[in-house]
Amino acid sequence: DVKVTQSSRYLVKRTGEKVFLECVQDMDHENMFWYRQDPGLGLRLIYFSYDVKMKEKGDIPEGYSVSREKKERFSLILESASTNQTSMYLCASTDRSTEAFFGQGTRLTVV
Amino acid sequence: RKEVEQDPGPFNVPEGATVAFNCTYSNSASQSFFWYRQDCRKEPKLLMSVYSSGNEDGRFTAQLNRASQYISLLIRDSKLSDSATYLCVVTPYTGGFKTIFGAGTRLFVKA
Repeated sequence: DVKVTQSSRYLVKRTGEKVFLECVQDMDHENMFWYRQDPGLGLRLIYFSYDVKMKEKGDIPEGYSVSREKKERFSLILESASTNQTSMYLCASTDRSTEAFFGQGTRLTVV
Repeated sequence: RKEVEQDPGPFNVPEGATVAFNCTYSNSASQSFFWYRQDCRKEPKLLMSVYSSGNEDGRFTAQLNRASQYISLLIRDSKLSDSATYLCVVTPYTGGFKTIFGAGTRLFVKA
């Protein structure tokens, strides 16, 4: 079974903090993605990566950065957390154009 | 224009009804197509892939029209357990395979 693991289920951070969300997949997938999901807006793509050290901006990259130093790990970084970044964050991985497997999600609250 | 657009919801239908979801996509380079299901407070999971020839899985039928850049999902004989959000997904090739989700359509099936 493919497993995608996100480091935290729930996080509470203060405005201005630097926040790291970690995602690890165990199936040697090439592609990894970070989405955020908000009520009524669906899943919006923040960043994605085709390969180690490669990254591409998605639809809403502002305020975020990513890191992919190893194939199995894709990190999302909030450089200076703001209240409008309170959301559910979902990581996914795929092998080329196949099915996306998701982590369980991280519910981030910025206060 | 969004890359993937779905019918706005919610759809409220009685048990036993037939319900259809529609989705359009803008990138003609899209390679693969899927329908995902997302239950409340859970991550999305693959419902079915969508092929040009159309495909069926029990009560569910998916269709793809590449010329019109249109995908559909038909659910026959709706069950209470079909209540969920249904997400249309396309994977355009942009140097790597990007996975783009529609905003989703919420379905409520009532007794």
